[in-house]
Amino acid sequence: QSVLTQPPSASGTPGQRITISCSGSRSNIGSNTVNWYQQLPGTAPKLLIHSSNQRPSGVPDRFSGSKSGTSASLAISGLQSEDEADYYCATWDASLNGRVFGGGTKLTVL
Amino acid sequence: EVQLVESGGGLVQPGGSLRLSCAASGFTFSTYAMSWVRQAPGKGLEWVSGISGSGGSTYDADSVKGRFTISRDNSKHTLYLQMNSLRAEDTAVYYCAKEHNYYVSGSPNYFDYWGQGSLVTVSS
Repeated sequence: QSVLTQPPSASGTPGQRITISCSGSRSNIGSNTVNWYQQLPGTAPKLLIHSSNQRPSGVPDRFSGSKSGTSASLAISGLQSEDEADYYCATWDASLNGRVFGGGTKLTVL
Repeated sequence: EVQLVESGGGLVQPGGSLRLSCAASGFTFSTYAMSWVRQAPGKGLEWVSGISGSGGSTYDADSVKGRFTISRDNSKHTLYLQMNSLRAEDTAVYYCAKEHNYYVSGSPNYFDYWGQGSLVTVSS
């Protein structure tokens, strides 16, 4: 059971906009910024969004992040087939004194 | 170019020990915290341990506390994970990850680079 809760799966058609949610508590998302990682099949994770809504250089602006209270969201607009991957949210948890991840969301592009 | 290369994985019996290494290059190693993150077969990511830039502060997940020890040798630009009393549930790909800051704790902080991973299999 992960500390952060994500839907196990999401899907969309090419060109569509989808969102993936990440729910936590006051000790993690409620008091820290959220990061999102993309893991393409058979590869290591890659930083997608940091500090809740910042894109590293090289990440398309189709990807955006937001945070409100104890929840965060990742939005992907103009969905493309190459976006098919697993997506994980993560943050620091002050109660556990450690990093925590969501269980991951498998995105399928139909 | 930042590079993180893990080594030391393999097959080990339950109760055994293994030491993973992560050779870092392309950045000032002592300036950044580092972490180990693992992924069991078909499962999600789990943070294991983190260490500050100097090595003076370490953090461990409850699942490995007392069994795993993270350390670093800044003169060799290398991160280590000593794993003792291994269990079947420790079977996973272990990733070395560079933190964006000197410290592990708090935010904003994030893993900006990852290694390719090293597979550890605990089985008799």
